[in-house]
Amino acid sequence: EVQLVESGGGLVQPGGSLRLSCAASGFTFSSYSMNWVRQAPGKGLEWVSYISSSSSTIYYADSVKGRFTISRDNAKNSLYLQMNSLRAEDTAVYYCAREGYCSGGSCFVYWGQGTLVTVSS
Amino acid sequence: DIQMTQSPSSLSASVGDRVTITCRASQSISSYLNWYQQKPGKAPKLLIYAASSLQSGVPSRFSGSGSGTDFTLTISSLQPEDFATYYCQQSYSTSITFGQGTRLEIK
Repeated sequence: EVQLVESGGGLVQPGGSLRLSCAASGFTFSSYSMNWVRQAPGKGLEWVSYISSSSSTIYYADSVKGRFTISRDNAKNSLYLQMNSLRAEDTAVYYCAREGYCSGGSCFVYWGQGTLVTVSS
Repeated sequence: DIQMTQSPSSLSASVGDRVTITCRASQSISSYLNWYQQKPGKAPKLLIYAASSLQSGVPSRFSGSGSGTDFTLTISSLQPEDFATYYCQQSYSTSITFGQGTRLEIK
């Protein structure tokens, strides 16, 4: 059974940093691209970042570019999101999501339960 | 970025109704369009990928159609468990974007 478990969320002050982790199990982690998707309270879904299976290709949403860094450790079956210079508008539930085979496009087949990041003084 | 616009933003319907949700892209995205269902407090669930392909395990009452800029998600006969929020998502661009969501409520 595929499992994705996020951790590392919490309360942080504006300008602070936080590192999210996503522990993967039940599949060959090193074979799949991964993403972070967030959802502000009561709002819609926002894609944050993508990393290919070998870490050779990385993309970010404009809203986080230059502040967030995605990475992965295939030996540890783990995905990470380093978040720096946090702003109030980064407050959201952060989900890690595994891609599937969707006729050439990116689709998010498996999702974690999410971890809440709250940026507030 | 490619903008995805869903309509309506909210919808009231009854069990057994046929429901259609529309998603429009700001430019052509071919068939790189996926649909998700999200229930309160839960992660989204993939329903339809590549505009019209049903994800494994998803009931056949869900269907998708469209290409280019205009897409639809249809639920042929609403069931109680279908009341949720639905999102479209484009993967034509490396900057992935979602629609704003359509909240489907019980009438």
